[in-house]
Amino acid sequence: GENVEQHPSTLSVQEGDSAVIKCTYSDSASNYFPWYKQELGKRPQLIIDIRSNVGEKKDQRIAVTLNKTAKHFSLHITETQPEDSAVYFCAAVLSGYSTLTFGKGTMLLVSP
Amino acid sequence: NAGVTQTPKFQVLKTGQSMTLQCAQDMNHNSMYWYRQDPGMGLRLIYYSASEGTTDKGEVPNGYNVSRLNKREFSLRLESAAPSQTSVYFCASSALPGQGKLEAFFGQGTRLTVV
Repeated sequence: GENVEQHPSTLSVQEGDSAVIKCTYSDSASNYFPWYKQELGKRPQLIIDIRSNVGEKKDQRIAVTLNKTAKHFSLHITETQPEDSAVYFCAAVLSGYSTLTFGKGTMLLVSP
Repeated sequence: NAGVTQTPKFQVLKTGQSMTLQCAQDMNHNSMYWYRQDPGMGLRLIYYSASEGTTDKGEVPNGYNVSRLNKREFSLRLESAAPSQTSVYFCASSALPGQGKLEAFFGQGTRLTVV
C-alpha cells in the first residue's frame, strides 16, 4: 500500500517567517494530495490540495508544490502568524480510490 | 447542515468492556472512514466503507468491527477494549472518485481511555 513520510516532525518559526513542510509518497499511482490543519483539540480540516496533473497551487499565504518524478510534495506558508500554529498533515490518495494515507504530522509553532 | 457527527465525545472504559462509536454524515457521501490518532503516529485508518454495503480493513483493524448501517451511518465497535485502544477516534466521509471533490470531512473526535 501507499506510504507517506513527512518532515520535519516539529517546526518553530518567528512570526513573519516562512515555513516549509515536506512529504514523500511511495506509490506512483497516487494522484491526489491534500493538506490538513489540526488545531489543538479540534478536528483536521482541509487547507489546500493538489492533483497530480498540476505542479503548483496557491491560496493566499499557502501554496503546495508537487514533483511527480521525485514523488514528493511540499506545503509552503509565507508571512506566518501565531494562528498558523497547529499540526499539519499531508496525505496521498491512490487513483480510483478515496482513502487517505496520512503522514505522521508536523507541529508548527509560530512565535510572536 | 451538520456535516459529520460522532458520539460520544469522551468515554472511559474498563479493560474487557465493549462499546460502539456512532457516526453519521448528512453530505450524501458514499465513502466513510474510521481513523485513530495517537501521538507521533498521525492518523491511521482502522476501517473504511467505500459505499453502502461494503466495508474493508485499513492499516490497524485488529480489535475493531464496523457496520455500515445505511448511507449516512457508519459505526465502530470495540468488543473487548484493551489499554492499547486508548486513542482519539475520528470518523470521516468523502465523495468517491469522479463523484465530486475528494475532500474528507471529519467528525469532532472521540477521546477514548481504556483503564
